[in-house]
Amino acid sequence: SQTIHQWPATLVQPVGSPLSLECTVEGTSNPNLYWYRQAAGRGLQLLFYSVGIGQISSEVPQNLSASRPQDRQFILSSKKLLLSDSGFYLCAWSRVSYNSPLHFGNGTRLTVT
Amino acid sequence: DAKTTQPPSMDCAEGRAANLPCNHSTISGNEYVYWYRQIHSQGPQYIIHGLKNNETNEMASLIITEDRKSSTLILPHATLRDTAVYYCIVRVETSGYSTLTFGKGTMLLVSP
Repeated sequence: SQTIHQWPATLVQPVGSPLSLECTVEGTSNPNLYWYRQAAGRGLQLLFYSVGIGQISSEVPQNLSASRPQDRQFILSSKKLLLSDSGFYLCAWSRVSYNSPLHFGNGTRLTVT
Repeated sequence: DAKTTQPPSMDCAEGRAANLPCNHSTISGNEYVYWYRQIHSQGPQYIIHGLKNNETNEMASLIITEDRKSSTLILPHATLRDTAVYYCIVRVETSGYSTLTFGKGTMLLVSP
């Protein structure tokens, strides 16, 4: 079966510090990968998606970037965090097939202080 | 993706069926209806999806009207652990990938 791992589960970082969140998927190959963010009291917002190694598409221009160095690894980064980067960050994967559901990890709760 | 409309909250007694409605009047012919739920502080969990026929799995049933402008997610015997925010999403596959646009969903509270 397929599993998705995200870490860390919670993170408190000062304004201006860098960020690196990692997501890995097991049990499948060549998945589509996604990063979503959920701000407090709001819906999920798609940040980035990737259909292959080194292929990243951004949905919302912002202070964040994503990379996919390996087939089943997806990384979300920032060089300098802002207060507005606080939120619940979720990684998801799906098969490359018609209407395959997205499956989410358990998320990282980031608080920027 | 077409927009969806859901009630902000619903209550259900434990053991009863929970029927969660969703309106998607602008849905296109190639858009599927997906349902997810999110338990507090966890990632969204996939429940079920369908195009035009009714669907059933181990978690729930999905009833889609003939004109496809609305649907209902049915949890046949709700338990306390079904308390969550339920999201109805319509989605079209494009260029080999597909994303999900989440709205605010319905907060379902299952009570003893």
